[in-house]
Amino acid sequence: NAGVTQTPKFRVLKTGQSMTLLCAQDMNHEYMYWYRQDPGMGLRLIHYSVGEGTTAKGEVPDGYNVSRLKKQNFLLGLESAAPSQTSVYFCASSLQGAVGANVLTFGAGSRLTVL
Amino acid sequence: KNEVEQSPQNLTAQEGEFITINCSYSVGISALHWLQQHPGGGIVSLFMLSSGKKKHGRLIATINIQEKHSSLHITASHPRDSAVYICAVRHEKLTFGTGTRLTIIP
Repeated sequence: NAGVTQTPKFRVLKTGQSMTLLCAQDMNHEYMYWYRQDPGMGLRLIHYSVGEGTTAKGEVPDGYNVSRLKKQNFLLGLESAAPSQTSVYFCASSLQGAVGANVLTFGAGSRLTVL
Repeated sequence: KNEVEQSPQNLTAQEGEFITINCSYSVGISALHWLQQHPGGGIVSLFMLSSGKKKHGRLIATINIQEKHSSLHITASHPRDSAVYICAVRHEKLTFGTGTRLTIIP
């Protein structure tokens, strides 16, 4: 049982390049989330999904797009990377959403550097 | 003012000491989570609680809903407990604290 798997774990981009982070979960969770973690700040929600085919904006969605074509996968895209998007990105999933009494399962994180 | 405040930001202690990490929040919540982030970066859920107290091994988490405060205690601390401990509160969304970096010296 792998839980939540993120790929890639590390990536270096030049400003203006595009890339996609993949999150895959094998727990049949309905809810999936993308967070970013920056020094001195708590995890901040970028986008989330409440089920296959749905996506919604979080706190810091600008510059990112997401897709949830399959229940087990949640993709985070950067169309034109900027240095401000240098961060560690975490994917998480849960059976229920924010008001549900449920535990989040996190991926190992993806460290992105934009030069 | 942040919705979730943790203290201390950094804590260094000797092996065997009793550790307390605090979390205060300013909104009404349905639940509070304690998470552990290992030096390698992975995040693991330790506790989710909405009232009272929970215990798992050497870890104890308490919450006082009226005072909007939670504590995480570690008894008989060990170097392997060195990590960042993060408090997160559930209301209409999940809001995370900035974490407490704990270092246990052998």
